[in-house]
Amino acid sequence: DVKVTQSSRYLVKRTGEKVFLECVQDMDHENMFWYRQDPGLGLRLIYFSYDVKMKEKGDIPEGYSVSREKKERFSLILESASTNQTSMYLCASSPGGTGANVLTFGAGSRLTVL
Amino acid sequence: AQSVTQLDSQVPVFEEAPVELRCNYSSSVSVYLFWYVQYPNQGLQLLLKYLSGSTLVKGINGFEAEFNKSQTSFHLRKPSVHISDTAEYFCAVSDLAGGTSYGKLTFGQGTILTVHP
Repeated sequence: DVKVTQSSRYLVKRTGEKVFLECVQDMDHENMFWYRQDPGLGLRLIYFSYDVKMKEKGDIPEGYSVSREKKERFSLILESASTNQTSMYLCASSPGGTGANVLTFGAGSRLTVL
Repeated sequence: AQSVTQLDSQVPVFEEAPVELRCNYSSSVSVYLFWYVQYPNQGLQLLLKYLSGSTLVKGINGFEAEFNKSQTSFHLRKPSVHISDTAEYFCAVSDLAGGTSYGKLTFGQGTILTVHP
C-alpha cells in the first residue's frame, strides 16, 4: 500500500516560532501536496510540487513556504507562525501521468499556535 | 477557475436508511470528479472517482455516485447506511485545462454524515 507519513500528529507552537511540517511518501510518486483543512471550509491547497526542487503556489500560499530536496520528502514551513495558522495540515501524493488525480493522504498534522 | 459546493454541511440519518450527499461543481472545461471520506482522526481515503465513461460510478463500501453533466452535479448515494459510515465526506474536482493538472484538486466544504442507531 502507498503510505504517506506525516512526522507529527500534534504540535503546539508559540506565535513567531518557525515551524516545520514533514511529509514522506514511499511509492516514488512525482506529485506532492500540502492542504490546510478548516471546519466549514473543506481543504484548501497551499503548495504542490510535481518534481524535485519544483514547486507551485496553490490557493492560499501566504505565510507558508515549501521544500522538496528529495523525491520522497515534502516539507511545509511556517516562517513565523501566527494564531490564524492554527489548523489541520494534510499532506498528499500522487503518481505522474494518468494517475495524477488520485491522491493518497497522510493522517494529518494538527497545529495549534498560541 | 473551478469550484465545488456541497449543499449540506450535516446529514443525520438512521441506520439502514438510504442517504444522498449532494455535490455541485462549476468549471468551464471537462472535469474529473471524486468523493473522499475522512473517518475521525484519520486522513482522507478515496471513495470513488469519475474520469470518463459510464456516468454511474461505484465505489467502496456500497457507495455510488452519478455524474450529471447538464446539472453539473455528482451526488453520492448509499441505499442502506451503517453506523460505521459515520464520517465526513468531501467532493472534489480536477479540471483538464491544459491537458494535465498534476493532480490539483479543488474540494468542497465537506458533509458530516452521522448515522444513528
